[in-house]
Amino acid sequence: EVQLVESGGGLVKPGGSLRLSCAASGFTFSNAWMSWVRQTPGKGLEWVGRIKTKTGGGTTDYPAPVKGRFTISRDDSKNTLYLQMNSLKTEDTAVYYCTRTREVSGAISMLYDDWGQGTRVTVSS
Amino acid sequence: EIVMTQSPATLSVSPGERATLSCRASQSVSSNLGWYQQKPGQAPRLFIYGASTRATGIPARFSGSGSGTEFTLTISSLQSEDFAVYYCQQYNNWPGTFGQGTKVEIK
Repeated sequence: EVQLVESGGGLVKPGGSLRLSCAASGFTFSNAWMSWVRQTPGKGLEWVGRIKTKTGGGTTDYPAPVKGRFTISRDDSKNTLYLQMNSLKTEDTAVYYCTRTREVSGAISMLYDDWGQGTRVTVSS
Repeated sequence: EIVMTQSPATLSVSPGERATLSCRASQSVSSNLGWYQQKPGQAPRLFIYGASTRATGIPARFSGSGSGTEFTLTISSLQSEDFAVYYCQQYNNWPGTFGQGTKVEIK
């Protein structure tokens, strides 16, 4: 059974930093693309970044709202995904989900096969 | 960025009845469309991909259809566990985008 367990959320002031972690089990982590997706009541579900496998180059991609501020990394020896969030803004307040991500032939973007339970990040002074 | 529009925002249905949810893309996404179910306090769960393929373990009462810009998720006979919010997501273009969701509630 696939399990994704996020941790590291909390309250942080605008301009601050936070690192989220996601412990994965039940599948071969090193073979999986992984993404972070966030959810807010106002904007709904929003993809915030993806990392490919090491054999696939370990490439990361981000949408414009977080590019340059968020960094995804992975430690395949620990089956763990990370999201380093810097220069946080109030609009980054959300529940952040770790997802196992599928590349689809013929498509440019991705599907999200499995999701963790989420960790809440609140950016407020 | 492709905008996904779901309708209605809320659908009130009695158990055992049929529910039809719509999702429209602002430009063609071919058949690269997924549906997710989310229950209160839980993460979304992939239900349908490729517009019409059920994910592992999803009951046959769920069916998806459509291509291009118009898509439908049909629940043939609503069970108590089906009352939830359903999101569509296009993954044809970059970045993948989600609709705002349709809440299926008990009538």
